[in-house]
Formats: sequence, C-alpha cells, structure tokens
Amino acid sequence: QAGLTQPPSVSRGLRQTATLTCTGNSNNVGNQGAAWLQQHQGHPPKLLSYRNNNRPSGISERFSASRSGNTASLIITGLQPEDEADYYCSAWDSSLTAWVFGGGTKLTVL
Amino acid sequence: QVQLQESGPGLVKPSQTLSLICAVSGASISSGFYYWTWVRQPAGKGLEWIGRVYTSGSTNYNPSLKSRVTISVDTSKNQVSLELSSVTAADTAVYYCARDSLAEGFWYFDLWGRGTLVTVSS
Repeated sequence: QAGLTQPPSVSRGLRQTATLTCTGNSNNVGNQGAAWLQQHQGHPPKLLSYRNNNRPSGISERFSASRSGNTASLIITGLQPEDEADYYCSAWDSSLTAWVFGGGTKLTVL
Repeated sequence: QVQLQESGPGLVKPSQTLSLICAVSGASISSGFYYWTWVRQPAGKGLEWIGRVYTSGSTNYNPSLKSRVTISVDTSKNQVSLELSSVTAADTAVYYCARDSLAEGFWYFDLWGRGTLVTVSS
C-alpha cells in the first residue's frame, strides 16, 4: 500500500545536502502534511519530523522538512555516513480514513 | 519511558489466524490522546499500515485488509492486540506496534516497538 510516491533511491556525497520528496494528493499530504521516518536496516522506524517541520527532541537540526501543495520534502544537510538509511513519508488520508505511506527512499551517502 | 513490546507466534499456518499482542509499559495505555497502531513490513519492502485503535475501542483499518483484521485494546492489561484471519504467505512480515500521537490537530507515529517477525508457512 504505497499511497504516497517517493523516489526509490537517492545518492549524495559526504557533507552534501539531500532532498527527498513525497507526493500525495489533497486528501493526505496536501491536507494534513506529512511526517518523516528513518529506518536503518534491521531496526524499527524512527520519527524524524511531523506536521511538516516539527522535530522530536534528540533529532538533529540537519533534518528539516517542508511542504508545497501535495508534495512534502525532507532536507538533510551535511550528510554523514550514519544518515544512510531508508526514509519513509506518512500522512493521514481523510478520504480513506487511513494512514498511507510512501514506498520509501533508500539514501546512499557516497 | 514508554516502551512497546510485540509478542506472539513466529510461525502461523496458511488459512489460520495470526494473533499478536503489543504490551505497553511505562505509562497507562489510557492516558493522553493516543491511537495504538499496527504496521507491517515484508522483508525488503516498505511499510504497510494495518489499522489502529483508540482507548475507547474506536478503530480504523486499512481498506485492503479490513475484512480480515481486528484490533482491540485491553486497558486492564495495558495492551493492544491484533488478529489477522485467513493468512497466506503474503502476510509474512515484521509486525510493528506503534503509538499514534496528536499535536495541534496532527497525528504522527512517535513511538515504535522493535517488531516481531511472523512467517506464514505450513
């Protein structure tokens, strides 16, 4: 159930900036915005941001998020090796009355 | 510190019912405005939302799984349960319990369990 669209993979160099996108529609991202999750191999997902650009305590300021229309973005600055992970966006769909996820983006730090 | 711990059989036979428990520790499951959610992830694939339950018992389910899913809450035991009936190999996945929190009208998953692998096989 990949209700939101994410690019399957993104590669950037060390200390560079990566922008990950997540496209939905007016019932989900365009309505409620998106939350972003990070998942390292073999671990559960971890919340990075919610309500477009609120970060839980303990999450680095290198992670920021934004939304424009039906597309949400996660911007990671100063890429570090530990940022290499899968990133998922999520949004509540008011039409489906269900959560929808993106298919995930695998970020590779070169 | 609130923690979630999933448990249940790691192996289920096809056509049977998968049953899992999510034990909540560190706080009462009834405190605050939280939904308790189940999410699954087949090996090498993305996240799939299964459904959620509020402490009142109110539920929302993934439309594609709705006919087979039951999620319930037991406040006396501080736990949430998942039942998925008529399972097939396609239901093989890591099953996560997560907390759905509310802030300024926006819901988000702020807490996750470690997950439990369920394999459907005869």
